[in-house]
Amino acid sequence: DAMVIQNPRYQVTQFGKPVTLSCSQTLNHNVMYWYQQKSSQAPKLLFHYYDKDFNNEADTPDNFQSRRPNTSFCFLDIRSPGLGDAAMYLCATSRERGGGANVLTFGAGSRLTVL
Amino acid sequence: GDSVTQMEGPVTLSEEAFLTINCTYTATGYPSLFWYVQYPGEGLQLLLKATKADDKGSNKGFEATYRKETTSFHLEKGSVQVSDSAVYFCALIDNRDDKIIFGKGTRLHILP
Repeated sequence: DAMVIQNPRYQVTQFGKPVTLSCSQTLNHNVMYWYQQKSSQAPKLLFHYYDKDFNNEADTPDNFQSRRPNTSFCFLDIRSPGLGDAAMYLCATSRERGGGANVLTFGAGSRLTVL
Repeated sequence: GDSVTQMEGPVTLSEEAFLTINCTYTATGYPSLFWYVQYPGEGLQLLLKATKADDKGSNKGFEATYRKETTSFHLEKGSVQVSDSAVYFCALIDNRDDKIIFGKGTRLHILP
């Protein structure tokens, strides 16, 4: 089945120790997104790629970076995780951007714990 | 800016009860509206959508009608099941913008 796969599902790191989360998709979608979801809160968009075009949200901290080496893969790098970065990180894809056609397909998420 | 407001949870109901989860929005443009559902341990998945005023989205027994006059998109189901226990997110995309804006989510517990 075509889908969005995130690895690892659970990641434990120490304060300040870099972390990389991965996302792969078999949908051949043009757009890939990274969201941060904290407990009882709405998912917050960090950034997205439209093909190779990177779009950062204005309030995304510099601590968060992303790479998309090809259509299928996208990575979230957290350079120096703080306690406040503990959250579920959701990867999503969509065929195109904009309007009612912009239906997102989500992965199962990567839960990050920072000790 | 655009925003989505959902009723606070958790909502606890008995099996076969009628469900309403309220959602209202503010938007300066003409948004498309969505309900996403997140089952335990899983990512969000699209439940239903409506792209213009008076459209009704429906799926798996759930319905929501796009009401422009009341800026609402309430989720309803006539008879809930234990398997409907999940977190439900109302969301919008302003058609002038590419960003999807989520509400805070409403956790639903269905008791057998």
